[in-house]
Amino acid sequence: ETGVTQTPRHLVMGMTNKKSLKCEQHLGHNAMYWYKQSAKKPLELMFVYNFKEQTENNSVPSRFSPECPNSSHLFLHLHTLQPEDSALYLCASRRTSGRYEQYFGPGTRLTVT
Amino acid sequence: AQTVTQSQPEMSVQEAETVTLSCTYDTSENNYYLFWYKQPPSRQMILVIRQEAYKQQNATENRFSVNFQKAAKSFSLKISDSQLGDTAMYFCAFVPSGSARQLTFGSGTQLTVLP
Repeated sequence: ETGVTQTPRHLVMGMTNKKSLKCEQHLGHNAMYWYKQSAKKPLELMFVYNFKEQTENNSVPSRFSPECPNSSHLFLHLHTLQPEDSALYLCASRRTSGRYEQYFGPGTRLTVT
Repeated sequence: AQTVTQSQPEMSVQEAETVTLSCTYDTSENNYYLFWYKQPPSRQMILVIRQEAYKQQNATENRFSVNFQKAAKSFSLKISDSQLGDTAMYFCAFVPSGSARQLTFGSGTQLTVLP
């Protein structure tokens, strides 16, 4: 248990569906991250939030829309996805001062049909 | 830009033996942190060990230890007394000091511990 939770753990959705992934951290951290992990590919950083403000968007398609209402919660809203978006989506958090390690949630396994 | 290289895509070790995973990185920064993460079949990414670049002493966490060679930009992970539960993908990661800096991950090494 890392102190970072993600729901749902598994999600199957059609290309026309709208769904959301949720991440919650109980560690008092101020930075939160979304990563995409596809088979046989390196971990891809998608979005970064520091103190609820988005500070990085790594050229992610607009069909992925992040939301960070507070420092403890992070959402990834999904809309009109493609089959190649099927992957494991990992959320992580960290303190913004002092220590630099990130703590990860268990991930959401997303399948787009 | 920083790069992290793990040149061993796959490795295996017999239970109770010792194995070393390699990691090299490239940076012009002087102050930074290095990490090893473990991702078992459950896919949960778990922090194994961390090393601050300004510390000469190699970090140790129980059966896990690192060999940090700053001049060579090398950061290997040694697992002693390997256990079946150590079977996982291992990622090396780097981050420069500074609150807004992000982790750079290597491509990973799949370690299999054989009974």
